[in-house]
Amino acid sequence: TQLLEQSPQFLSIQEGENLTVYCNSSSVFSSLQWYRQEPGEGPVLLVTVVTGGEVKKLKRLTFQFGDARKDSSLHITAAQPGDTGLYLCAGLSNNDMRFGAGTRLTVKP
Amino acid sequence: NAGVMQNPRHLVRRRGQEARLRCSPMKGHSHVYWYRQLPEEGLKFMVYLQKENIIDESGMPKERFSAEFPKEGPSILRIQQVVRGDSAAYFCASSPDSMNTEAFFGQGTRLTVV
Repeated sequence: TQLLEQSPQFLSIQEGENLTVYCNSSSVFSSLQWYRQEPGEGPVLLVTVVTGGEVKKLKRLTFQFGDARKDSSLHITAAQPGDTGLYLCAGLSNNDMRFGAGTRLTVKP
Repeated sequence: NAGVMQNPRHLVRRRGQEARLRCSPMKGHSHVYWYRQLPEEGLKFMVYLQKENIIDESGMPKERFSAEFPKEGPSILRIQQVVRGDSAAYFCASSPDSMNTEAFFGQGTRLTVV
């Protein structure tokens, strides 16, 4: 079983639409990271959230860490084809880093 | 400052051979994590190492797989007597010397067992 559950597993939308993907766990994390991975490449870090309730914005991407530090969401506004990729969340606690299975996003032009 | 370097990028082995995957962490990073990724799936944790120590190997298969991170040189993930089911992308990540900090990934080694 996954320590971190990501949903949806697959998401296909049209360019310009908004979307939200989720990362949930029953465990508390000291911090949580979001990565994006493109085919044939390693994951690239997008953001780290540390404080419960924290919201971080990165251009059209908004990341939120739940108050209890067990869950997180990633919202993308006006999605573009360049946003296509696998979005992974990773929870960190006690020097341990574990990943969810990812949300595979496809943005069609 | 070079990023995490993994080599080779692609590795083909026949069933029964050994595979050695190398990971050089970023300069100043003493924590290394290895992950396995099957096509269309997320990353599965294998092992977490600090210099000369295995901290957590709960994700490693009990047989044929081993990992090390010596005082000098890269971290090595070794797979003995490979089978077709070992075919996957293997990624390593490194992080600095403190707890709960950001980790950076290499580009992975794609192992194909024929």
